Amino acid sequence: GNSVTQMEGPVTLSEEAFLTINCTYTATGYPSLFWYVQYPGEGLQLLLKATKADDKGSNKGFEATYRKETTSFHLEKGSVQVSDSAVYFCALRNNFGNEKLTFGTGTRLTIIP
Amino acid sequence: EAGVAQSPRYKIIEKRQSVAFWCNPISGHATLYWYQQILGQGPKLLIQFQNNGVVDDSQLPKDRFSAERLKGVDSTLKIQPAKLEDSAVYLCASSPVSGSSYNEQFFGPGTRLTVL
Repeated sequence: GNSVTQMEGPVTLSEEAFLTINCTYTATGYPSLFWYVQYPGEGLQLLLKATKADDKGSNKGFEATYRKETTSFHLEKGSVQVSDSAVYFCALRNNFGNEKLTFGTGTRLTIIP
Repeated sequence: EAGVAQSPRYKIIEKRQSVAFWCNPISGHATLYWYQQILGQGPKLLIQFQNNGVVDDSQLPKDRFSAERLKGVDSTLKIQPAKLEDSAVYLCASSPVSGSSYNEQFFGPGTRLTVL
């Protein structure tokens, strides 16, 4: 079955530091990959996505590249801000059958000024 | 455009009591999902509807959980009787159509359930 393994947190960084949150997956076929973000007190929001190998998703300064050879989708940002403090979830979805999302356990990120 | 609405936002009950959650998806969205998010874990799909039909309920504990989507719009999720391990955030999501790799799921704010 499908599974997502995500870097465990919590992660604490200083403002303007470089961020990497690791994500690897196991899936049948060629899934779509996602990063969702959950800000304090809010619902899950789609941050970025990639639907096929070598695609790069990007949004709000965050990037992730779909690496089929390493089954990975690591999230990166060059210079984090206090407002990036949130919980980040990596997820995958099969591109056939139903479209249920399989999530990782989430990584709590705290940015200190 | 209004987002996915859920109510209540918080609910505290005692074990063996019953509880119901309500979800109103984004207007026109055919597919509706209920996820359970236990503290420290990622969301797990409980049930998926396509219009008013069930697509996937393989992870729904059917001895105590039930869900319906009348007229293919609003949905309710019920737990009866509740157990301590049902304490979680229940998330509702909707997406426009099924069968497209470009579909995005839009999530509501969730209902936080505490079972004492």
